[in-house]
Amino acid sequence: EPEVTQTPSHQVTQMGQEVILRCVPISNHLYFYWYRQILGQKVEFLVSFYNNEISEKSEIFDDQFSVERPDGSNFTLKIRSTKLEDSAMYFCASSLRTGGADTQYFGPGTRLTVL
Amino acid sequence: ILNVEQSPQSLHVQEGDSTNFTCSFPSSNFYALHWYRWETAKSPEALFVMTLNGDEKKKGRISATLNTKEGYSYLYIKGSQPEDSATYLCAFCTGANSKLTFGKGITLSVRP
Repeated sequence: EPEVTQTPSHQVTQMGQEVILRCVPISNHLYFYWYRQILGQKVEFLVSFYNNEISEKSEIFDDQFSVERPDGSNFTLKIRSTKLEDSAMYFCASSLRTGGADTQYFGPGTRLTVL
Repeated sequence: ILNVEQSPQSLHVQEGDSTNFTCSFPSSNFYALHWYRWETAKSPEALFVMTLNGDEKKKGRISATLNTKEGYSYLYIKGSQPEDSATYLCAFCTGANSKLTFGKGITLSVRP
């Protein structure tokens, strides 16, 4: 069964460093998302992406964050200068169609630890 | 600000018990309600997407109902098994966008 994959599973970085989190969405899906969960809090939306551009972003997704689909298979989240409060589990998701009634398939997450 | 609430926060049951969880969401601007099952170190697994008031969906021993007018959904597990131990998340969507707003999740632990 097709699945969303994410690498690495765990990333440790120093404050101020840049990190890139990678995702391979399900191959025929057209819509891509990043969410995150800070320990003990709710899963929260960061950004959605379609047709090589951002569809919507949350207030969390400031200038330090960017997303890219560099080729036909990968979808990346870059954090330019990490802060302690960026420590969280980051989930990538993809869906075939847009609109909230389509299933979003999630990857297993990347745990980011900022020291 | 959309607020999605889930209760109880955690639940410990004996194998064979049936259990149910509640997800509350804003009844205005409703478009869809999603349920996910999330085991530690695995991907959250999509269980149901519900859109119509009165919807009932079933997957094996797990079923869900939806009341959009009063803003709640119930998830039922019949005859819980240890492999049902997981966190159950609900997420609400207002439609025009695909953004999911999640509840905090309910952690179920089923004792053999």
